[in-house]
Amino acid sequence: GAGVSQTPSNKVTEKGKYVELRCDPISGHTALYWYRQSLGQGPEFLIYFQGTGAADDSGLPNDRFFAVRPEGSVSTLKIQRTERGDSAVYLCASSPSAGGRGEQYFGPGTRLTVT
Amino acid sequence: DQQVKQNSPSLSVQEGRISILNCDYTNSMFDYFLWYKKYPAEGPTFLISISSIKDKNEDGRFTVFLNKSAKHLSLHIVPSQPGDSAVYFCAASANTGTASKLTFGTGTRLQVTL
Repeated sequence: GAGVSQTPSNKVTEKGKYVELRCDPISGHTALYWYRQSLGQGPEFLIYFQGTGAADDSGLPNDRFFAVRPEGSVSTLKIQRTERGDSAVYLCASSPSAGGRGEQYFGPGTRLTVT
Repeated sequence: DQQVKQNSPSLSVQEGRISILNCDYTNSMFDYFLWYKKYPAEGPTFLISISSIKDKNEDGRFTVFLNKSAKHLSLHIVPSQPGDSAVYFCAASANTGTASKLTFGTGTRLQVTL
């Protein structure tokens, strides 16, 4: 079956530009998570959706970062006025429900490079 | 503040031998622990998990041990195979009622040699 997909796989942008990263979760999964992985680090939590609403956005580093999930399926992570420090791999994960303690299924990530 | 720590950045093990990957945590609220495996250019893949009410969970060649008093867990792979070569991440979550975000360690790169 289809796993979590993320587009684009790579994105190079100039400092100060706006970018959107897309995540398609596994069909039927209600919980969706965004993580960011910098070089040499583990994935770092950004935001979590249960359905359409952001249930926990405590990991977003500042107000340049925003994410939406308008229909409870696809999610878009939006970064305004990008900075070189935003360069990382952005990972999306989904799970069948947020209340369960089961594993999260990760996509391959989007590698963002800000020049 | 690194709440989940993997102090060994790399580990090399001969094929057929046991691989032991270690993980320490500091947050007493963590009650569910997972191990993920990651190949280059792919997302992390779930391996095995353990709840804090247990001290051991086994799945085939993979066994996870949890020592709550020491806030330490380990992943044992027996026997190790070349295909096990990857980066292994330890992750933890706290039962906050609804959210189950994961806190990851920095990973251990395992190389299984012939």
